Amino acid sequence: QLQLQESGPGLVKPSETLSLTCTVSGGSISRSNYYWGWIRQPPGKGLEWIGIIYYSGTTYYNPSLKSRVTISIDTSKDQFSLNLSSVTAADTAVYYCARRFYGSGALDCWGQGTLVTVSS
Amino acid sequence: QSVLTQPPSVSAAPGQKVTISCSGSSSNIGNNYISWYQQLPGTAPKLLIYENNKRPSGIPDRFSGSKSGTSATLGITGLQTGDEADYYCETWDTSLSAGLFGGGTKLTVL
Repeated sequence: QLQLQESGPGLVKPSETLSLTCTVSGGSISRSNYYWGWIRQPPGKGLEWIGIIYYSGTTYYNPSLKSRVTISIDTSKDQFSLNLSSVTAADTAVYYCARRFYGSGALDCWGQGTLVTVSS
Repeated sequence: QSVLTQPPSVSAAPGQKVTISCSGSSSNIGNNYISWYQQLPGTAPKLLIYENNKRPSGIPDRFSGSKSGTSATLGITGLQTGDEADYYCETWDTSLSAGLFGGGTKLTVL
């Protein structure tokens, strides 16, 4: 059974870089019919699509975050990562990693989410 | 404000039917598959509908999806108190080369 688990600091200072890793277990991240993605949800608000990465390294980002976001993948470790630079309080959110089916685009498996607070 | 428009809230009595709409444009819903997700309080979203109208294994047939032009609809019949949750539509936007979520709809089962 596929499982995704987010990990990383729960507190980040303003202007610094938020870094999270998603570890995939129960399946290979190198499967050709899936993308791997990040989604976030500010407290009390809706879901925001951040970006996705294919095992080959191809990425797609939310245009509103593109200048600050980098998603990378390590197929040898079955992990993919999110870096979000120059964070502000507005980046405080629960961050989810998820698997996205290549064909339909459905996010069919999600991590439990991790709360990241931006505060000094 | 989301590119995909959903009503902020809907409500209905137990046993009744409810529909949740998601409105977009030709660059997103009009030319791409739509998915629907259920988010119970304090939990991660769960895929309910994919490819406009297909249900993953384990999702009861009380949940249905449809798409027409640049709009999509999630239907839930035989409402149960356990269906109280936030529901989100999601699709790809060809112009943005990125995914999009609707603003979410809170379902209350009265």
